Amino acid sequence: EAQVTQNPRYLITVTGKKLTVTCSQNMNHEYMSWYRQDPGLGLRQIYYSMNVEVTDKGDVPEGYKVSRKEKRNFPLILESPSPNQTSLYFCASSLRGELYGYTFGSGTRLTVV
Amino acid sequence: KQEVTQIPAALSVPEGENLVLNCSFTDSAIYNLQWFRQDPGKGLTSLLLIQSSQREQTSGRLNASLDKSSGRSTLYIAASQPGDSATYLCAVKDGGFKTIFGAGTRLFVKA
Repeated sequence: EAQVTQNPRYLITVTGKKLTVTCSQNMNHEYMSWYRQDPGLGLRQIYYSMNVEVTDKGDVPEGYKVSRKEKRNFPLILESPSPNQTSLYFCASSLRGELYGYTFGSGTRLTVV
Repeated sequence: KQEVTQIPAALSVPEGENLVLNCSFTDSAIYNLQWFRQDPGKGLTSLLLIQSSQREQTSGRLNASLDKSSGRSTLYIAASQPGDSATYLCAVKDGGFKTIFGAGTRLFVKA
């Protein structure tokens, strides 16, 4: 089944403890992206990647890191999480080009205390 | 900078009613527009994708239209059902391969 898989689905952590949220897709998509969703603010893009080893900042990149060493994986790293990073996170992927839309993962609900 | 607006923010209708959700965008230079459905606390499910060269797309009881020149798209839901209750999001993919989302319309269909 074609899908985007995120792990974990739920995570509670403490301020300052490094964490990684994994994202993997099995559709050979070039384009991958991370979003966070907050009440009243909608979906905001954190980072995106056009292909392996090519990443760029979205609208809210502060406090996050990403890497794209393989085409299928696009992990989101929080080096020192803070409470304002408590949010619902989504990974999405797409074939490159104007003809294609997004496929989303099921989301990761992160709480930083 | 592209901005996407969805009106209304929330909508409550009785079962069986036909309804229209609106999405507007400020920059007409888009590649495509995608409508999603999101259930509370869940991921986004793609409903319809309209290319910039297309005027509309249909899937079952759903019909989405696109008017690029006026910066508008509508999602028409026929014969609404309680199972249609969800938040509906529109998203535009612009020339920079960024995708910008609207804040969504929360739909409640009463049985």
